[in-house]
Amino acid sequence: GAVVSQHPSRVICKSGTSVKIECRSLDFQATTMFWYRQFPKQSLMLMATSNEGSKATYEQGVEKDKFLINHASLTLSTLTVTSAHPEDSSFYICSASQSRDRGRWYGYTFGSGTRLTVV
Amino acid sequence: ILNVEQSPQSLHVQEGDSTNFTCSFPSSNFYALHWYRWETAKSPEALFVMTLNGDEKKKGRISATLNTKEGYSYLYIKGSQPEDSATYLCASQPGGGADGLTFGKGTHLIIQP
Repeated sequence: GAVVSQHPSRVICKSGTSVKIECRSLDFQATTMFWYRQFPKQSLMLMATSNEGSKATYEQGVEKDKFLINHASLTLSTLTVTSAHPEDSSFYICSASQSRDRGRWYGYTFGSGTRLTVV
Repeated sequence: ILNVEQSPQSLHVQEGDSTNFTCSFPSSNFYALHWYRWETAKSPEALFVMTLNGDEKKKGRISATLNTKEGYSYLYIKGSQPEDSATYLCASQPGGGADGLTFGKGTHLIIQP
């Protein structure tokens, strides 16, 4: 089945530094990648949607200059948290949507998430 | 209903017993309802995607129903086993394209031997 590999699983960084999170689709082409964030005891919240080769579309309230998304290939998308602050500490998870093939849609495949702690 | 709501938040069930939990979602602007099973440190595993009112899907001991008119879905687990312990997420998909999902907070299920 479809697999999305997400790295790192955990990262601790100092305030003011940047952190990059990678998501790779291992056996399919991810035309669209979604990035979600989850705060404690809350639901997964959509941050942004990116299509390969295009600029990402950010949800209301998500700063595009702080959360840089690159989806340069059909198998790799990255989320960079720039100038991280303690309030950016959260769980981040990606999800890939496979391209439609003759009208069939293969659903969403999730990575395993990244726990970011900013100290 | 404006958001996706799941109840209960957590549930302890004796091994062998059957159980069910609920997902409520906005019935307007609806395309599909997704159920995921999520174990700690793993990727959420897709269980069901349902689109039609009255849909009923089954996968082994797990089944789900969908009512799009009133905006709810039930997930049923028959004869619970310890390996069923996980968080079960439901999510609403608003359109038929590649849309992001709106998730509930999940139901945390613990099966007690």
